[in-house]
Amino acid sequence: NAGVTQTPKFQVLKTGQSMTLQCAQDMNHNSMYWYRQDPGMGLRLIYYSASEGTTDKGEVPNGYNVSRLNKREFSLRLESAAPSQTSVYFCASSQMDRDQETQYFGPGTRLLVL
Amino acid sequence: AQSVTQLGSHVSVSEGALVLLRCNYSSSVPPYLFWYVQYPNQGLQLLLKYTSAATLVKGINGFEAEFKKSETSFHLTKPSAHMRDAAEYFCAVSAFGNEKLTFGTGTRLTIIP
Repeated sequence: NAGVTQTPKFQVLKTGQSMTLQCAQDMNHNSMYWYRQDPGMGLRLIYYSASEGTTDKGEVPNGYNVSRLNKREFSLRLESAAPSQTSVYFCASSQMDRDQETQYFGPGTRLLVL
Repeated sequence: AQSVTQLGSHVSVSEGALVLLRCNYSSSVPPYLFWYVQYPNQGLQLLLKYTSAATLVKGINGFEAEFKKSETSFHLTKPSAHMRDAAEYFCAVSAFGNEKLTFGTGTRLTIIP
């Protein structure tokens, strides 16, 4: 199993450009998540999807959209990138394990917005 | 609402010394607690988790954590540090064992040779 995969690994954008970050998992998990990681702030939840066809906002959803394309894939879109969106983005998926969800993370996408 | 506070954004210990990384939580319901580790340029990897089955939880790589309700703490320890333990460590909490995690701000662990 590849686990959680993310593409691209690194991206540079100009302010106002758009892009989509891709995430896929092969563990048959129902739930998937997008986080951003910024120095000194830990990980903050952007959006999550509890199951195929559903998405919900997390702590910092402004400026982002998501699509749960199917059970495997969960994409994050920046419609008009801003320098404040420079960050490392992590996708995760989770499974129930003894009445509790355990999250598994991808390797991350480093995004620089100029 | 749940939150975690990690005391000390940077911790340095000598190789072979005790590692102690602090995490205090706040939760209106019995919490589920996690420690994750992030090695340079990698994603987060689960170290251990508390599920109310036992207050002392053993994880991978020789780490363990003890849940202390009276102190609202879930500190991470390892008796003897190795160079390979150098990484950033995150404490996280969720309620009812559901899927939404709230992370602390992380502690960067440096090992001194």
